[in-house]
Amino acid sequence: EVQLVESGGGLVQPGGSLRLSCAASGFIFDTYWMNWVRQAPGKGLVWVSTINSDGSSTGYADSAKGRFTISRDNAKNTLYLQMNSLRAEDTAMYYCTRHRAYSHDQWGQGALVTVSS
Amino acid sequence: QSALTQPPSASGSPGQSVTISCTGTSSDVGGYDFVSWYQQHPGKAPKLMIYEVSKRPSGVPDRFSGSKSGNTASLTVSGLQAEDEADYYCSSSVGTNLPFVFGTGTKVTVL
Repeated sequence: EVQLVESGGGLVQPGGSLRLSCAASGFIFDTYWMNWVRQAPGKGLVWVSTINSDGSSTGYADSAKGRFTISRDNAKNTLYLQMNSLRAEDTAMYYCTRHRAYSHDQWGQGALVTVSS
Repeated sequence: QSALTQPPSASGSPGQSVTISCTGTSSDVGGYDFVSWYQQHPGKAPKLMIYEVSKRPSGVPDRFSGSKSGNTASLTVSGLQAEDEADYYCSSSVGTNLPFVFGTGTKVTVL
């Protein structure tokens, strides 16, 4: 069974940093591209970032460029999102997703990030 | 990129059909056959329902179908059931760098 389990969410002050992790199991992790997608409370889905299977290529939404860094450790079957210079508008549920056929075919349960003083 | 445009709401009675549109541009929906659809129940993670415009993942009922014409994609739910009441989002790939753009979301109500 495919599982994606996010961790690392929480309350952080504006300007602070947080690192999200996503532990993957049930599939061959290093053969899949992976993504982060976020959803602000009561709002829609927004793509944040994508990383290819060996970590050599990444992509970011404009809102994440220069502040967020996606990475992966294929030996640990884990995806990461390092988030710096956090703003109130980054408050959201962050989902880890598996990329397949240009879609998000598997989703984690999400990690809630709240940016507030 | 701007979000794809979906109607805020749609509704139908049990057994009826409902169709949700997803309008983009020639740079996203119209330019690639990489449209996908997601169902999200309150408090839950989204679930993939359709990928590559019209393909269904294993386990998704054939009541769900997808299509595309020009810059507009559509999701049709036939034989509406109570459990189909949820938010639905479309998504499209927008090019070689593979950023994705999502739709604005549609709340489907089963009357």
